[in-house]
Amino acid sequence: DIVMTQGALPNPVPSGESASITCQSSKSLLYSDGKTYLNWYLQRPGQSPQLLIYWMSTRASGVSDRFSGSGSGTDFTLKISRVEAEDVGVYYCQQFLEFPTFGSGTKLEIK
Amino acid sequence: EVQILETGGGLVKPGGSLRLSCATSGFNFNDYFMHWVRQAPGNGLEWVAEVRNKNNNYATYYAASVKGRFTISRDDSKSSVYLQVSSLRAEDTAIYYCTRLTIAAISFDYWGQGVMVTVSS
Repeated sequence: DIVMTQGALPNPVPSGESASITCQSSKSLLYSDGKTYLNWYLQRPGQSPQLLIYWMSTRASGVSDRFSGSGSGTDFTLKISRVEAEDVGVYYCQQFLEFPTFGSGTKLEIK
Repeated sequence: EVQILETGGGLVKPGGSLRLSCATSGFNFNDYFMHWVRQAPGNGLEWVAEVRNKNNNYATYYAASVKGRFTISRDDSKSSVYLQVSSLRAEDTAIYYCTRLTIAAISFDYWGQGVMVTVSS
């Protein structure tokens, strides 16, 4: 299985500041079609996960442009610009190159 | 509007069984692969199983942790997917989410609210 490893955030993050969440995969997620099969989800407290980013850097429908994804084949970053109260929750990276595996999650708290 | 609703959870003794149901609406169910993902209390997300559509021969796939104990199936006439969970263990205690795989983006774009399964004597 591909192992996904997420970094922690220096919580709490001041409102209006930026936050960057890192994720590493044990295998390159760059496929021969040129796409990188790395997704990001946000799970707000008490809610189901919601898709934020797919193909490493493409925002899902309706997702704020404050969220941006970047990276290489094995190292990825989700950047949240100007964090707001509604951004609070746990962020998960997920690979879909093979049967899906998730990172352990990164909690975002806001001050 | 896409809707996904899971039912069938509950408290079951170790070794017992349950059948989880997932009713969907608002999209052409026949076109999609459907998955179950679970989340143990206070823990992260774990993929459980996939059932593909008719064009893909209704192929099924399972996580190693549940293979041989869980069975995923679908009924296209009811736009529903099911998860038969058997030989349950304490470590199967979790919220079970039904989710849709969007082929266009290879990601889970819609999730149900989840159903709790508790395995305890």
